[in-house]
Amino acid sequence: DTEVTQTPKHLVMGMTNKKSLKCEQHMGHRAMYWYKQKAKKPPELMFVYSYEKLSINESVPSRFSPECPNSSLLNLHLHALQPEDSALYLCASSQGIDRNTEAFFGQGTRLTVV
Amino acid sequence: GENVEQHPSTLSVQEGDSAVIKCTYSDSASNYFPWYKQELGKRPQLIIDIRSNVGEKKDQRIAVTLNKTAKHFSLHITETQPEDSAVYFCAAGENTGFQKLVFGTGTRLLVSP
Repeated sequence: DTEVTQTPKHLVMGMTNKKSLKCEQHMGHRAMYWYKQKAKKPPELMFVYSYEKLSINESVPSRFSPECPNSSLLNLHLHALQPEDSALYLCASSQGIDRNTEAFFGQGTRLTVV
Repeated sequence: GENVEQHPSTLSVQEGDSAVIKCTYSDSASNYFPWYKQELGKRPQLIIDIRSNVGEKKDQRIAVTLNKTAKHFSLHITETQPEDSAVYFCAAGENTGFQKLVFGTGTRLLVSP
């Protein structure tokens, strides 16, 4: 199983809503990532969790709040977003050891903020 | 921080031709250089990667070369096929267990039959 599963696939939310994006993997990977991808742009790293601890926060606004409840799950809690936050949010995972580098991406959640 | 430049932004080739995409990076601490293929509406998928202690790596029709001194790396696809049509992203960064990557701006490759 080399799947990273993200839910929901699509999400439309208002600027006052609170919503969560979910990501799950069962490959035993210990590093998990959130990326943001705008149309026709490359993925941009937002957060990295390593062994369930937040290792990197790329100066992401506090309206995005990550959570790693266990080694298989990664959430991204959203609150008071702006229309410019509309994008494809990609989750990824990798084994988390130096010698095995391949990262697997989920299919993404396409978020629209209205 | 790391900055990755990628060229060309679009590349059109005939089926069977070779395609070359080039990237440069700025941070000499970067030690990991993956290439991702993203088809329209789909997830990025790793096609090949190279570590800083290796100069070249090949996997069937795909090869990557790395020049650490000049801080550039390239993707070579031979015998291109229409199904190679996609956006290709290079990336550079550190891999110390987890990865901290910066992606290039992408190259849209179109292979015409």
